[in-house]
Amino acid sequence: QKEVEQNSGPLSVPEGAIASLNCTYSDRGSQSFFWYRQYSGKSPELIMSIYSNGDKEDGRFTAQLNKASQYVSLLIRDSQPSDSATYLCAVTSRSGGGADGLTFGKGTHLIIQP
Amino acid sequence: ETGVTQTPRHLVMGMTNKKSLKCEQHLGHNAMYWYKQSAKKPLELMFVYSLEERVENNSVPSRFSPECPNSSHLFLHLHTLQPEDSALYLCASSQDLVLSPLHFGNGTRLTVT
Repeated sequence: QKEVEQNSGPLSVPEGAIASLNCTYSDRGSQSFFWYRQYSGKSPELIMSIYSNGDKEDGRFTAQLNKASQYVSLLIRDSQPSDSATYLCAVTSRSGGGADGLTFGKGTHLIIQP
Repeated sequence: ETGVTQTPRHLVMGMTNKKSLKCEQHLGHNAMYWYKQSAKKPLELMFVYSLEERVENNSVPSRFSPECPNSSHLFLHLHTLQPEDSALYLCASSQDLVLSPLHFGNGTRLTVT
């Protein structure tokens, strides 16, 4: 059973600080890793994708991947109140030639305090 | 229209009703998905279609029946549902099955009474 683990939070961070969100996954064959943001009552929206070890930066967001440790993280710099949302980690892999879609974690609820 | 659109946005149905959820993607993607999102649970993959062929049925009860008439449209037919089936049902599409991210529709909030 493929699993993706996240701390459900809530994670409370002061405005302007760095928010750090973490995720571990169980399937060593995983190939693609994504972070989605979901506001209450809305559908998830993609904010970052990462496919190889190391860091990937996009604006205030940095995704970090360590396949040896089966760990992926998301850093949000200069946190804003509008960043308050649930952040979903998602991992995809292919097993036996079939398709499994994305496996999601339960999400981390992030609160940015003004 | 752009992106992934789902209808209806909200649906209330009795346990003996039959209804259908509709999804349409305008992104030219090859894969489409149904996910279920319940409170306090991760998103659960229900069905995956690639080029109109079903490639995954994630042990979903037969009271949920998907249909994919072409690569742009996906339906979820519902019949004799249970109250525990109340959830947010999300449609998504992706360019391919493994490496591409998902693009979600706005979802259908389903309540079974």
